[in-house]
Parts: sequence; structure tokens; C-alpha cells
Amino acid sequence: GENVEQHPSTLSVQEGDSAVIKCTYSDSASNYFPWYKQELGKRPQLIIDIRSNVGEKKDQRIAVTLNKTAKHFSLHITETQPEDSAVYFCAIGAQKLVFGQGTRLTINP
Amino acid sequence: DVKVTQSSRYLVKRTGEKVFLECVQDMDHENMFWYRQDPGLGLRLIYFSYDVKMKEKGDIPEGYSVSREKKERFSLILESASTNQTSMYLCASSLRPAGGGEQFFGPGTRLTVL
Repeated sequence: GENVEQHPSTLSVQEGDSAVIKCTYSDSASNYFPWYKQELGKRPQLIIDIRSNVGEKKDQRIAVTLNKTAKHFSLHITETQPEDSAVYFCAIGAQKLVFGQGTRLTINP
Repeated sequence: DVKVTQSSRYLVKRTGEKVFLECVQDMDHENMFWYRQDPGLGLRLIYFSYDVKMKEKGDIPEGYSVSREKKERFSLILESASTNQTSMYLCASSLRPAGGGEQFFGPGTRLTVL
């Protein structure tokens, strides 16, 4: 079945630096790759997604890159700010979504 | 704005009790999902439904069942609660099937089984 591995599980960066979270997957049928952000005590919310016919997508300080051949995709956050502190989940989708284990990102002022 | 609501934020039940978790969405979405969230394990899909009275097993359906009598309402049922079902339960809905687009989540129900 589908499986997705997310790394690192925790990440701490200085405010203003960049953060990168990577996910690898095994199911070649996956064609949808979203990223969700969950702030403390709140519900997960979609921040960016990419489909298999696109290699990169950017939205202001957030970007996602996809390498279908190597079966991995990454979330890049530039110029990090304190409000970026949260747990981030990647997911892969075909008939259903399978989520990664999550990365707790902490931005240090 | 899509609104997904869940019947309780916190729930405490005893082992062996039958537990109902309710989820309602107001955006006429066809697709609804139940996940459980545990530290270090991410969100794991329990059941999903792509139409009224239709249901599909997710990755961890054992010990759970679901009901979808109306389009806007999707219920998760724990037939006989056990301590290993203590978790955060999240409901979600989407316009497109799971692999097709954004899922909107409810606030979650933190269930404790004693």
C-alpha cells in the first residue's frame, strides 16, 4: 500500500533562515501532493499543493518541489517568521490521502 | 467559508462503551473523512465516504464503523471503546475525491477511554 516517510521529525531554525522538509513515497500512482500546517491546538490547513505534472510551485515564501522519478517532494519556507512555528504534514493522494508523520518546526527569534 | 464542525471537543468514556462522534459540514461536499491523530504517527485514515450511504475502509478501520445517512453528516462509531482508541479524532470534507483537492478539517475531538 501507499507509504510516505517525512523528515525531519523536528526542525529548529533561526528567524529569517530557510526551512526544508522532505517526504519520500513508494506508490507510483500518487498524483497529488499537498502540505498541511497545524498550529498548536488548531485544525490542519492546506498551505500548498502540487500535482504530478508539475515540478515546482511557489506561493510567496512557500514552495514545493516534486521529483517523481526519485519519488520525493519537499516543502521550502524562506525568510522564516515566528508565525511559521507549527507542525507540518505532507501527504500523497490518489484515491485517498496518506499523511506523513509530521515535522514540528520551531522558529527561534 | 467551509465550515466543518464536530459534536464535542473533549470526550471521556469508559472501556466497553459505545461512542458516537458526529461531524457536520455546510458546503455540500460529497466526500467526508475520519482520521485519528497520534503523536509521531501523523493522521491516519479510518473511513471515508464519497456519497450518502457509501463508505470505504481507510488504513485503520478495525474497531470502528461509520454512518452517513445525510450528505452533510458523517458519524464515527466505536462499537466497544478500548483504551487504545484514546486519541484525537479529526473529521474532514472535500469537494473532490481525496486525491483531487483540499480537505477541510473540523476542530477535532479528543477522546479519552478509561
